[in-house]
Amino acid sequence: DGGITQSPKYLFRKEGQNVTLSCEQNLNHDAMYWYRQDPGQGLRLIYYSQIVNDFQKGDIAEGYSVSREKKESFPLTVTSAQKNPTAFYLCASSIKDRTTIAKNIQYFGAGTRLSVL
Amino acid sequence: DQQVKQNSPSLSVQEGRISILNCDYTNSMFDYFLWYKKYPAEGPTFLISISSIKDKNEDGRFTVFLNKSAKHLSLHIVPSQPGDSAVYFCAASEYGNQFYFGTGTSLTVIP
Repeated sequence: DGGITQSPKYLFRKEGQNVTLSCEQNLNHDAMYWYRQDPGQGLRLIYYSQIVNDFQKGDIAEGYSVSREKKESFPLTVTSAQKNPTAFYLCASSIKDRTTIAKNIQYFGAGTRLSVL
Repeated sequence: DQQVKQNSPSLSVQEGRISILNCDYTNSMFDYFLWYKKYPAEGPTFLISISSIKDKNEDGRFTVFLNKSAKHLSLHIVPSQPGDSAVYFCAASEYGNQFYFGTGTSLTVIP
């Protein structure tokens, strides 16, 4: 059955280390998104991609990188430049429909909780 | 700068009564709004939406009201059930482009 899969569920990062969070979807959605959630805050957009081989920075892209080599996959790398990476990371996807905005609802994965050792 | 605000971090309601969750936004160009429900350690799940051409949308026990002049929307849950206990996020966008999320309201429905 269709959905969005994020892995791993929990991840630990050592100082100076890059880590990559996986996001895969089999919904045939064009657009994919990465959000970060911190306690007491809403979801903040890190990066998004509306089409393969293209992606755009969101509001808090510094210290993160992404790639979109396949429609189904949108991995997020948390680099050593991200000084406060501890957070809950959510991946989402949506159809990108310019005529019916109701189709642009974002569907979320279960999230990855990243902590720093 | 928070473009979407949920000023009540938490709300407690008796089972069977109405739950009203509020959301305010600042950008008058927003024309599409979503409500999501989130359980701990899970991703948000879509609940209900409304576009700016309407002022009300119903889906079973859930109704969303939009007041464009006040830049305010609210989610009504009637009757509230213990399984509704979760964090509720509102989100707003301009024509389905980037969504801006509120900080969430934690709803507890007391049996």
